[in-house]
Amino acid sequence: DGGITQSPKYLFRKEGQNVTLSCEQNLNHDAMYWYRQDPGQGLRLIYYSQIVNDFQKGDIAEGYSVSREKKESFPLTVTSAQKNPTAFYLCASSIASGSRYNEQFFGPGTRLTVL
Amino acid sequence: KNEVEQSPQNLTAQEGEFITINCSYSVGISALHWLQQHPGGGIVSLFMLSSGKKKHGRLIATINIQEKHSSLHITASHPRDSAVYICAVGATMYSGGGADGLTFGKGTHLIIQP
Repeated sequence: DGGITQSPKYLFRKEGQNVTLSCEQNLNHDAMYWYRQDPGQGLRLIYYSQIVNDFQKGDIAEGYSVSREKKESFPLTVTSAQKNPTAFYLCASSIASGSRYNEQFFGPGTRLTVL
Repeated sequence: KNEVEQSPQNLTAQEGEFITINCSYSVGISALHWLQQHPGGGIVSLFMLSSGKKKHGRLIATINIQEKHSSLHITASHPRDSAVYICAVGATMYSGGGADGLTFGKGTHLIIQP
């Protein structure tokens, strides 16, 4: 079955540690996205990538880093510079870039808690 | 930057009732998305529309571009419809500067009681 997988579902880390969230898709989509969801707020875009080896900052990129070495993979690293990393992180993909006309498919999310 | 407002924030209804969730946005868009988020957190895309009306089963989505407003309707609601419904809008023009993702509303938490 085609889809997006994120692992792990729950992740706990100590303050000051970097942590990498995994996102893999087998939909052959060119565009991939990382969003952050906090209680009472809408999802906010962290980073997106339109093509392999290219990515762009979203609205809240500070304290995060990404890579796109393969079409199917778009890992997100939450660095120690991120002031409030505890949140629910969602990965998404679409057949092409441009939220104008392309449906986005979402992964199940990773809930990160920093202790 | 586009502002997306949803109403109501919370809605509790009885099984069988007709449900309406509203979404308003401030800047012109090319596409509006309705999404459903289940209690476990996973998100499913319900509709993507840029004009008129779409129907899928008991769900109907409408959009009025001139009024910058969209509605999601659920007919004959059922407890399994209980979820958070999220409206999201896509930019009119691709700027490449972080604007490629969607702008999301805060969601409407719907509970259908049996």
